[in-house]
Amino acid sequence: GENVEQHPSTLSVQEGDSAVIKCTYSDSASNYFPWYKQELGKRPQLIIDIRSNVGEKKDQRIAVTLNKTAKHFSLHITETQPEDSAVYFCAAGRTGGGNKLTFGTGTQLKVEL
Amino acid sequence: ETGVTQTPRHLVMGMTNKKSLKCEQHLGHNAMYWYKQSAKKPLELMFVYNFKEQTENNSVPSRFSPECPNSSHLFLHLHTLQPEDSALYLCASSQVAGQGNTEAFFGQGTRLTVV
Repeated sequence: GENVEQHPSTLSVQEGDSAVIKCTYSDSASNYFPWYKQELGKRPQLIIDIRSNVGEKKDQRIAVTLNKTAKHFSLHITETQPEDSAVYFCAAGRTGGGNKLTFGTGTQLKVEL
Repeated sequence: ETGVTQTPRHLVMGMTNKKSLKCEQHLGHNAMYWYKQSAKKPLELMFVYNFKEQTENNSVPSRFSPECPNSSHLFLHLHTLQPEDSALYLCASSQVAGQGNTEAFFGQGTRLTVV
């Protein structure tokens, strides 16, 4: 089955700096890679996703890159703000029936003033 | 709200009790999921239902029994649980359409404590 590894487990940055979280996956058939943000005591919510037919996707301050050959994908947050502090999860899955997502272990991001 | 509602939000149960977790989605989705979230562990997929049919049982112990009476409701029946089953149980739903994987919407979760 799919195995997703996520690093780092904790990340502390100064407000305004950039943050990068990296994930690797094992199943070459995976073609859908979402990123979820979970604030303390709240549910995970999708912030951005990428499919295997593109290498990069950007939405304002967040961007995701995908390297299919190396089987890794990354989340980039620029100009970080205190409200970006949360746990971020990457996931990998396949399109088509089953719709199964395998999640990474999460990264606790703390943006300090 | 995201349209996925879970009840109860908190549950404390003894190891000999029987209880059920309920999930309801108002988004018209055709797939529903149970995930377990423990401290310092990834979100672990437990069960997947597509069009009310169970398509995935991720080696979950039989003390967890899912039920999906229709595409809007999902239950997780619990019996003779162990303290290590204490965790946040998250329900999610999504729309499976052709070859497209779409966003999974999560409920608020049920915080389960087994004593």
